[in-house]
Amino acid sequence: RKEVEQDPGPFNVPEGATVAFNCTYSNSASQSFFWYRQDCRKEPKLLMSVYSSGNEDGRFTAQLNRASQYISLLIRDSKLSDSATYLCVVNPYLLSGGYNKLIFGAGTRLAVHP
Amino acid sequence: DAMVIQNPRYQVTQFGKPVTLSCSQTLNHNVMYWYQQKSSQAPKLLFHYYDKDFNNEADTPDNFQSRRPNTSFCFLDIRSPGLGDAAMYLCATSRDLLPRRAVETQYFGPGTRLLVL
Repeated sequence: RKEVEQDPGPFNVPEGATVAFNCTYSNSASQSFFWYRQDCRKEPKLLMSVYSSGNEDGRFTAQLNRASQYISLLIRDSKLSDSATYLCVVNPYLLSGGYNKLIFGAGTRLAVHP
Repeated sequence: DAMVIQNPRYQVTQFGKPVTLSCSQTLNHNVMYWYQQKSSQAPKLLFHYYDKDFNNEADTPDNFQSRRPNTSFCFLDIRSPGLGDAAMYLCATSRDLLPRRAVETQYFGPGTRLLVL
């Protein structure tokens, strides 16, 4: 079983739509969670951290469910510029010997069309 | 602007011919990472330097080596590239201070795309 699993997509949605991605992780001791965005042939960039209480940044909302070991990302009012691959990232902090080690999912591809 | 720089952006090498990829940073971060990312796959950590301490991932092939001559620079050496080593190689940095109070963000360079002929 992969440590971080995501639906690869693609999710094809029209502009203005609301779209949600889920991600599951296998290590129940994981401490920190993130969503990164990666454009085609570019490097991953941090989109937002995911906090236990849930957090929102503009049109983006991230939630964490520790009991079920999944993380979600909700994008409201999708823009063409949101087209990218969204990587779910987990830091199994304690079990990695204390190092800041990130475990990436393979990503979910989003395509927003006019 | 402070940043992570990778050179070259594209590298073509021949099967079995050693190649070196470079990474430099102006962020003065103490931790530097090398990831390998193949098409439609997750970035996979190869190894990282915590200050001068080298930390190899258990499943990183011996064909991959790294050097960090100073805080700013880190190199990835592929001793005998095979066709399966064609990928995007991403360098990242973070500030990691003890005692650890928070997980610090990793900042990625633009990557070097390696093609093996």
